[in-house]
Amino acid sequence: QQQVKQSPQSLIVQKGGISIINCAYENTAFDYFPWYQQFPGKGPALLIAIRPDVSEKKEGRFTISFNKSAKQFSLHIMDSQPGDSATYFCAASNAGRRALTFGSGTRLQVQP
Amino acid sequence: DSGVTQTPKHLITATGQRVTLRCSPRSGDLSVYWYQQSLDQGLQFLIQYYNGEERAKGNILERFSAQQFPDLHSELNLSSLELGDSALYFCASSLGQNNQPQHFGDGTRLSIL
Repeated sequence: QQQVKQSPQSLIVQKGGISIINCAYENTAFDYFPWYQQFPGKGPALLIAIRPDVSEKKEGRFTISFNKSAKQFSLHIMDSQPGDSATYFCAASNAGRRALTFGSGTRLQVQP
Repeated sequence: DSGVTQTPKHLITATGQRVTLRCSPRSGDLSVYWYQQSLDQGLQFLIQYYNGEERAKGNILERFSAQQFPDLHSELNLSSLELGDSALYFCASSLGQNNQPQHFGDGTRLSIL
């Protein structure tokens, strides 16, 4: 019940396109859903996060869509750029267990 | 730069040995989390400390231990190392014990020969 399932495992998008990564969870106690971006040789960097009281949050080209009833959330990267090529992780946590439960990661490649 | 500092960046050692990984949290952050990243298990939570006290445990082996010192830096001790312990070990910090977000360091890559 602590799992977060992430898809796809890898994604190739053309420059200027939209990248979409999906995550699903089972634990209804989760109340915080961040997305992290990781480049090779670096630690995960917080990209954007959402709480279940809103259905969408946008920061620049990055948008999280959240569907509480379906227990799903997704990351949309608009106007994808080659510099966005990285591995993206969704995660979740709750007040009782603040440690993050991570998805398995999506390797995004944006082709010029 | 996240402000979280981890040393060393790389560590190569042999089976059966013991190593210590060090983490300095962001200025002002009281919570430190340790995570392990491996190809087969992904990113897994190991342990959390808040202001010097253990707050939560995850999938941490008995051979592993950690502590947080009065100056808030933390150390992860790995003993009786096995080949399967080869992984990236990340430290993250946050302001409080329940607050988010968590900011990650660049990790220590541990290789067991």
